[in-house]
Amino acid sequence: AQSVTQLDSHVSVSEGTPVLLRCNYSSSYSPSLFWYVQHPNKGLQLLLKYTSAATLVKGINGFEAEFKKSETSFHLTKPSAHMSDAAEYFCVVSKHNAGGTSYGKLTFGQGTILTVHP
Amino acid sequence: GAGVSQSPRYKVAKRGQDVALRCDPISGHVSLFWYQQALGQGPEFLTYFQNEAQLDKSGLPSDRFFAERPEGSVSTLKIQRTQQEDSAVYLCASSPGRLGQLNSPLHFGNGTRLTVT
Repeated sequence: AQSVTQLDSHVSVSEGTPVLLRCNYSSSYSPSLFWYVQHPNKGLQLLLKYTSAATLVKGINGFEAEFKKSETSFHLTKPSAHMSDAAEYFCVVSKHNAGGTSYGKLTFGQGTILTVHP
Repeated sequence: GAGVSQSPRYKVAKRGQDVALRCDPISGHVSLFWYQQALGQGPEFLTYFQNEAQLDKSGLPSDRFFAERPEGSVSTLKIQRTQQEDSAVYLCASSPGRLGQLNSPLHFGNGTRLTVT
């Protein structure tokens, strides 16, 4: 079984300040972990993914996440928030096969709504 | 190129009506998933197709939900005798990889928002 817990339902930051969105996971397998972003009335877009290679993963739009097995965490960060970052963010876990590929069936967290103030 | 297309974008149904939601995946994508996203929640897995074969339907909430992909491309999610609890956004996603070999990310459509009154 696998699950993710996003620790904050809402995060509010000022433009230009750092962003931290927290995620803890639980998985009985070696997990693949993802962050997806969903802008209003838009489809889900992949920000980044971890699949057992480097523990620090860089994604699009300046976002990155660090896989910490000892803490079962996969927090998303960005050094400087932009107004266009305002959206809902989902931490996602997938079963990860021994061959290094994702099973594909995704388990989503509840989501964190990021608000960016001017 | 074109992404995953879903139609209709919005659907309002009276309780008890049947609805059909369509998904056009990216051409050539082998895998197709349906997810249900209730208001304020993350998406939840409904079912998975590999080409025309429905390999996993463990997430379908009841026998009122039925999905098909007869020719391995377009998929339809049908909900019979809709109930208020069926109100949600239904998301379709596709991938060029097969189950267990999905190194490529899922490409999501914009979803169909179903409101049952």
